Parts: sequence; C-alpha cells; structure tokens
Amino acid sequence: QQPVQSPQAVILREGEDAVINCSSSKALYSVHWYRQKHGEAPVFLMILLKGGEQKGHEKISASFNEKKQQSSLYLTASQLSYSGTYFCGTERGSGAGSYQLTFGKGTKLSVIP
Amino acid sequence: DSGVTQTPKHLITATGQRVTLRCSPRSGDLSVYWYQQSLDQGLQFLIQYYNGEERAKGNILERFSAQQFPDLHSELNLSSLELGDSALYFCASSSRPYISGANVLTFGAGSRLTVL
Repeated sequence: QQPVQSPQAVILREGEDAVINCSSSKALYSVHWYRQKHGEAPVFLMILLKGGEQKGHEKISASFNEKKQQSSLYLTASQLSYSGTYFCGTERGSGAGSYQLTFGKGTKLSVIP
Repeated sequence: DSGVTQTPKHLITATGQRVTLRCSPRSGDLSVYWYQQSLDQGLQFLIQYYNGEERAKGNILERFSAQQFPDLHSELNLSSLELGDSALYFCASSSRPYISGANVLTFGAGSRLTVL
C-alpha cells in the first residue's frame, strides 16, 4: 500500500526550514527517503528502522514514529541544492520473508533565492 | 554514475509494439528492482528479482514481463504497448538479500519510453 506524503509541493526561500511528512496505514519495518532532482534518478538520503531513531544527512534529518507509522523529513536552513522531489519509501515484511519498498507520490520542493 | 546501467535511454515506438528494456546492476548487487514513473503516480513498483529468481511483484501488468539472467542483468519486456505505458522506467539494484529488509536501492538513469 502506497504511503501518503504531505505536502505535495512546497516553495521555500534559501535559509528557510521545511518538514515533509509520510504516513502509512500498515505496520512498517523501515522508512526510506530519496531525493530526485529534475531529469535525474532518485538518490538515497537515509533509512530509518523500527525504534524511533533519528538520522541525519547534512542539514537534513528524519524521524520515524513506529507506533504511528509516520516519518518526517526535516530540512533545515534550506539551500538551492535541496530543490527536487522527495520520496518516502516504506518497507513492510510480506510474511513470506521478503520486503517490498513502496514509494509515495513525492513532495516537490523548490528553493528560491 | 551510480553503477546501475540502463539501456536504451530513450525509446519511441508505436501502440501495439513490443520493447525490451535492459538493466545491469551495480557490481556485486544481486537484487534488481523495476519501477515505473509517470507524472501523476510517482514511483510504482513493478517487480523484484534476487539472484535470478522473482521475489516480489507489484503493480505489473500482464502485458509486462521481466527476468534476471545468470550474469545478473535484467530485462523488462513490454508488449502490446498502449499510450498510457509512456513513462520513465527505472531499474535499481541492492546488495542486501531480499529477506533482510533495509534494502537501500541504487537507481539507474532510467529508460524513457514514449508510445505514439
């Protein structure tokens, strides 16, 4: 089942902060965040496993609330290079011993000078 | 260069035709994933292979099929093409076994298919 991301799009000025949310109706094994710049392939940012841990990548960090099946991506002091579409991917065990990574529809982030 | 190679980069064909997209995973990666990206649907999971065997199926149409060969490269076959099949098709690879979870994917540059 596809996770739901919000907002669908956001415009920021350089230096502003943003939060992108990702939620699922099913229990999750992990949450992944990827960024796709225009015309390029998605690139892995970070992965969060069960346990509520928070991870960071440059000035981008994320949290994972396992009980609520939600994750949030925090972009601090945004830079022009942060522009792109952010996808959250959720991984659930299939019960047959395999894990399938399903992505949300993405959040388009535009950082302007 | 991510290490995942996809060919062709662009493909234009007509409705009813059949095409084959090819993917070579990163060296050492045993898992291959295929995703379809269209404007309004984001990244849709199609199918996953691990070391030559199909391990997970997503929203893959019956007109589509895939396989992973002994040298670990994979092919996605799309037949009886329709206008709605126009999309960017990504291949990704992962080094972890499919049963372990936490599968970090490395994506190729994609194959853009246009059906006229």
